[in-house]
Amino acid sequence: QQPVQSPQAVILREGEDAVINCSSSKALYSVHWYRQKHGEAPVFLMILLKGGEQKGHEKISASFNEKKQQSSLYLTASQLSYSGTYFCGTFDHTGGFKTIFGAGTRLFVKA
Amino acid sequence: EAGVTQSPTHLIKTRGQQATLRCSPISGHTSVYWYQQALGLGLQFLLWYDEGEERNRGNFPPRFSGRQFPNYSSELNVNALELEDSALYLCASSSGTGEGYEQYFGPGTRLTVT
Repeated sequence: QQPVQSPQAVILREGEDAVINCSSSKALYSVHWYRQKHGEAPVFLMILLKGGEQKGHEKISASFNEKKQQSSLYLTASQLSYSGTYFCGTFDHTGGFKTIFGAGTRLFVKA
Repeated sequence: EAGVTQSPTHLIKTRGQQATLRCSPISGHTSVYWYQQALGLGLQFLLWYDEGEERNRGNFPPRFSGRQFPNYSSELNVNALELEDSALYLCASSSGTGEGYEQYFGPGTRLTVT
């Protein structure tokens, strides 16, 4: 089951904040976040694990609510370089381990 | 440290032909993942290889296949190409298996089927 991301798209002015949400209908052990700039490969941002462990980008913050099966990515004081599509990834263990990504949230930061 | 590399960058094929895409993971990474990203869409899981074995595959027909070599590089083969196979194919590697390991993506191979 693909995780659901919201919003689908957001436009910000430089310096503004944004929150991107990711929710799953299944119990989660972890959530991964990636950013993909136009024409480039996705880049790892952060992993949030059940139990509170996190690793990733120092300037990015995120939360993981295990009970609600949700994660949120917080982008504060946005910069032009934050523009891109943000994907959250979860894992499906049905029939074997595989990564499932949300449809993505397109973020555009303008000057 | 060199990142994940993929070749070729672009590939143009005719419907019915076969395509071979290649991926070299980051040195020391044993897991390789393949994803299909159709234009404007998200990442669809294709295949996962670890230690030379296929560990899992996504909901794709059998004409999508691949392998992982002893040096952990990987190859994705797509037989009997169809127009809807046109997409960006991304390879990613990780240093371990499990949900605690991030994936590092290569630049992708843009496959166009005409």
